[in-house]
Amino acid sequence: KAGVTQTPRYLIKTRGQQVTLSCSPISGHRSVSWYQQTPGQGLQFLFEYFSETQRNKGNFPGRFSGRQFSNSRSEMNVSTLELGDSALYLCASSLGPGGPTGANVLTFGAGSRLTVL
Amino acid sequence: GENVEQHPSTLSVQEGDSAVIKCTYSDSASNYFPWYKQELGKRPQLIIDIRSNVGEKKDQRIAVTLNKTAKHFSLHITETQPEDSAVYFCAARDNQGGKLIFGQGTELSVKP
Repeated sequence: KAGVTQTPRYLIKTRGQQVTLSCSPISGHRSVSWYQQTPGQGLQFLFEYFSETQRNKGNFPGRFSGRQFSNSRSEMNVSTLELGDSALYLCASSLGPGGPTGANVLTFGAGSRLTVL
Repeated sequence: GENVEQHPSTLSVQEGDSAVIKCTYSDSASNYFPWYKQELGKRPQLIIDIRSNVGEKKDQRIAVTLNKTAKHFSLHITETQPEDSAVYFCAARDNQGGKLIFGQGTELSVKP
């Protein structure tokens, strides 16, 4: 069973540009969550999608957005990049809310490392 | 919203000793508490989790305890080994399937 796949793994952008990151969840998983990881800040929650709907949103500015497609694949977009957006962006999938015990267990992808110059 | 505090931020132990990492949460509705281990350059991986209807759970050398009244939970690693060296994250999620909020992480170093 394939794991959570994130693309691209590494990318370099300059300030003001925008970036789109992609996440393919484990087959059968319908929920996708996104986190930003920076040294000293841990894992900061960005948003969570389930059945193409945003269920939860973290405390990030509107420059950060996301969406989920009918096949559960998700993308996140960051517009007008700032130096502080440099981070590892992690995607995690789960079966989804409700359901049997274990349905909410998150499995992480390897992440997309974004560097903003 | 939920807030999770984790201590200590760094922890150094000798091989064979025990390590304890503590977390507190703010939302009394939270009922799912996983722990993730992230080795250098790798993705976080679930090592153990506990739900609010259980006070303690063990899996070989690791155990998690939960005190719902005090709203804190802890990870215990016994007989530590160098391969236990990693960053450990605790997290909490409410019973409505809300967002999973992580603590700031603890960098554990096990010295041979």
